[in-house]
Amino acid sequence: DARVTQTPRHKVTEMGQEVTMRCQPILGHNTVFWYRQTMMQGLELLAYFRNRAPLDDSGMPKDRFSAEMPDATLATLKIQPSEPRDSAVYFCASGFQGWDDQPQHFGDGTRLSIL
Amino acid sequence: KNQVEQSPQSLIILEGKNCTLQCNYTVSPFSNLRWYKQDTGRGPVSLTIMTFSENTKSNGRYTATLDADTKQSSLHITASQLSDSASYICVVSAGAGNNRKLIWGLGTSLAVNP
Repeated sequence: DARVTQTPRHKVTEMGQEVTMRCQPILGHNTVFWYRQTMMQGLELLAYFRNRAPLDDSGMPKDRFSAEMPDATLATLKIQPSEPRDSAVYFCASGFQGWDDQPQHFGDGTRLSIL
Repeated sequence: KNQVEQSPQSLIILEGKNCTLQCNYTVSPFSNLRWYKQDTGRGPVSLTIMTFSENTKSNGRYTATLDADTKQSSLHITASQLSDSASYICVVSAGAGNNRKLIWGLGTSLAVNP
């Protein structure tokens, strides 16, 4: 089965360091989403792309977070500088256009701990 | 304010028993409602989607219902198995056109014990 691949699976780093998370969407999918999941807030949408163009990044703290799709096989989420409150699990998901009536296919996440 | 509330927050049942999870929403306009299953350490996986005109839909031992009048959905699990232990998340699509958004619930954590 085709799967969304996220790397790294775990990341522990100190406050102030740059963090880069990567995602390989399922081949052929044209929408990519980045989510953050915490116990208190659940899944929060940070950004999403369609055909590699950013359509909505209103959920993302602009001063420290950035999301890009350099090509159709790679999406990145960067945090610079990182803060302890950024500790969470970050998920990437991909899907087809018409995204709200099509299922999103999630990767297994990057578990981020900022010390 | 668009909201999705799930209950109970957590649930423990014995293997072989049935259970029902609830999802209440206050969104407008409603587009559809989807249930996801999230195993520990994994990403969510879609179980089923309910549109406005659908009342009941089954996927194996999972049966979802939707009452658009009361804005409630339920997920019924029949003859539970240990592998059903997971978090079950309800998400509602709200809005129209380019203003559509997904409103995610916090999930119900289900533990199935032998």
